[in-house]
Amino acid sequence: GQNIDQPTEMTATEGAIVQINCTYQTSGFNGLFWYQQHAGEAPTFLSYNVLDGLEEKGRFSSFLSRSKGYSYLLLKELQMKDSASYLCACMDSNYQLIWGAGTKLIIKP
Amino acid sequence: DADVTQTPRNRITKTGKRIMLECSQTKGHDRMYWYRQDPGLGLRLIYYSFDVKDINKGEISDGYSVSRQAQAKFSLSLESAIPNQTALYFCATSDRDRETGELFFGEGSRLTVL
Repeated sequence: GQNIDQPTEMTATEGAIVQINCTYQTSGFNGLFWYQQHAGEAPTFLSYNVLDGLEEKGRFSSFLSRSKGYSYLLLKELQMKDSASYLCACMDSNYQLIWGAGTKLIIKP
Repeated sequence: DADVTQTPRNRITKTGKRIMLECSQTKGHDRMYWYRQDPGLGLRLIYYSFDVKDINKGEISDGYSVSRQAQAKFSLSLESAIPNQTALYFCATSDRDRETGELFFGEGSRLTVL
């Protein structure tokens, strides 16, 4: 079956760096997405990886290893506003998105 | 104003009632989706539509129906609501010409079925 695994919750300190991991097993692969979702709000797009390697976008970076079925989202210089859930989603061979349950990130001062 | 608008934002109803959630978008996208989100679970696709004449079932379509009234409007109906349909529902759109297939979500409709 198809599956996306990510930690349920993580805690980090303001100003620090945190890495949120995601492993996936899907029927085929057409890209991996990361979305941010603040409590009670809609998910918003952060990144898309379809080739192996690191994509950097400001304080956020996303990494993909297709051979390992693995991705991570790296958040640097953490700010209180980064407290949110981070959703990993993989697009399968039918271009359907398979979603992880999300990682709730708690930032402490 | 939001590019993807959902109504109502919150609704409490009783078992057996018919409920309609509406979604409209000003992004000009052809593709529209309905998802539900439950605590501890990933987003699950209910129905999707790639244009006005194209409607497809998603992962969990049982108990739901949809209507694509126009390119900009996509509504979700629960013909006879049941308590396990209590969830947060999201409408989303995407642009078929955009390489990443990025989804743009509405603000969500929280439905409680008593």
